[in-house]
Amino acid sequence: EAQVTQNPRYLITVTGKKLTVTCSQNMNHEYMSWYRQDPGLGLRQIYYSMNVEVTDKGDVPEGYKVSRKEKRNFPLILESPSPNQTSLYFCASTPTPRREQYFGPGTRLTVT
Amino acid sequence: LAKTTQPISMDSYEGQEVNITCSHNNIATNDYITWYQQFPSQGPRFIIQGYKTKVTNEVASLFIPADRKSSTLSLPRVSLSDTAVYYCLVEGGTALIFGKGTTLSVSS
Repeated sequence: EAQVTQNPRYLITVTGKKLTVTCSQNMNHEYMSWYRQDPGLGLRQIYYSMNVEVTDKGDVPEGYKVSRKEKRNFPLILESPSPNQTSLYFCASTPTPRREQYFGPGTRLTVT
Repeated sequence: LAKTTQPISMDSYEGQEVNITCSHNNIATNDYITWYQQFPSQGPRFIIQGYKTKVTNEVASLFIPADRKSSTLSLPRVSLSDTAVYYCLVEGGTALIFGKGTTLSVSS
């Protein structure tokens, strides 16, 4: 089944404790991206990747890192999480930016 | 990057046609217009995409005027299960921008 998976689905952590949210797709898509969703603000793009080893900043990249060492994986790294990064995070993939995006199920992160 | 503007919310009744308009004044020549649907605690789901004129699929129609500065998503005969947030997205480059979405509430 074609899908985007994210892990973990729920995470509660403390300020400053490094964490990684994994994202994996099995559709051989070149383009992957991360979004955060906050009430009243809609979906905002954090980082995107056009292909392996090619990443770029989206709308709200501060406090986040990403890597794209393999085509199928695109982890989101929070080196020193802060409470303002409490949010619902979505990973998405697509063959190209102009095609339908496939979203993962989301990761709800709480930073205390 | 083309930004989009949509109504914050809309209300409808079952069986009615719903039209949601999105404004994208700065759309570029190569940009496409895409609409997504999102239910609570789920990732957005693709509904329809178009470049100009009219596109129709099994769930919706998309109307794009000649100047392409706006687009209208049309949902025929909505049901309670169409209650969701609808996002208009202008896709052309690499960074993608979602608007704040339109919350559609369908009542019986």
